[in-house]
Amino acid sequence: AQSVTQLDSHVSVSEGTPVLLRCNYSSSYSPSLFWYVQHPNKGLQLLLKYTSAATLVKGINGFEAEFKKSETSFHLTKPSAHMSDAAEYFCVVSRGGGADGLTFGKGTHLIIQP
Amino acid sequence: ETGVTQSPTHLIKTRGQQVTLRCSSQSGHNTVSWYQQALGQGPQFIFQYYREEENGRGNFPPRFSGLQFPNYSSELNVNALELDDSALYLCASSWVESNYGYTFGSGTRLTVV
Repeated sequence: AQSVTQLDSHVSVSEGTPVLLRCNYSSSYSPSLFWYVQHPNKGLQLLLKYTSAATLVKGINGFEAEFKKSETSFHLTKPSAHMSDAAEYFCVVSRGGGADGLTFGKGTHLIIQP
Repeated sequence: ETGVTQSPTHLIKTRGQQVTLRCSSQSGHNTVSWYQQALGQGPQFIFQYYREEENGRGNFPPRFSGLQFPNYSSELNVNALELDDSALYLCASSWVESNYGYTFGSGTRLTVV
């Protein structure tokens, strides 16, 4: 079984300040972990993925995430927020190629204040 | 390289009717999966097809069914529609052997009235 908990339903930051979106996971096997972003009325776009290689993963648009097995966490960060980052962010766990599909968290709504 | 395309983009159906949603996978991908995203929620896994066979299913009743065709396009069929079936339905394709990740379409917004 696998599950994902996104610890904040909403996060508000000022433009130019750091972003931290928190995610904890539970998995009975070595998971693959992803962050996806969804802009209003759009599909899901892959930001980055962890698949048991380097624990610090760099993604698109300046985002990165660190896999911490001891803390079962996969938090998403960005050094400096931009107005275009305002969107819904989903932390996702998968059994790497397995047939269980992707398990999504409930999402974190990121608000960027001017 | 083409992405994942879904049709139609919007659909309104009456309770009790049947609906078919369509998806064209990204070129080269051999796996397709479908997700239901209710308003304000994360997507929920419906099922996955690999080489035309269903090889995984989430917690959805049998009235949700699907097909994957030899060209890796796919259909999601929902019978006896209920009001709670109103949601955004997302299709995702992948090349399972590489575990690269899933490419999502923009979805079909289904409204059941």
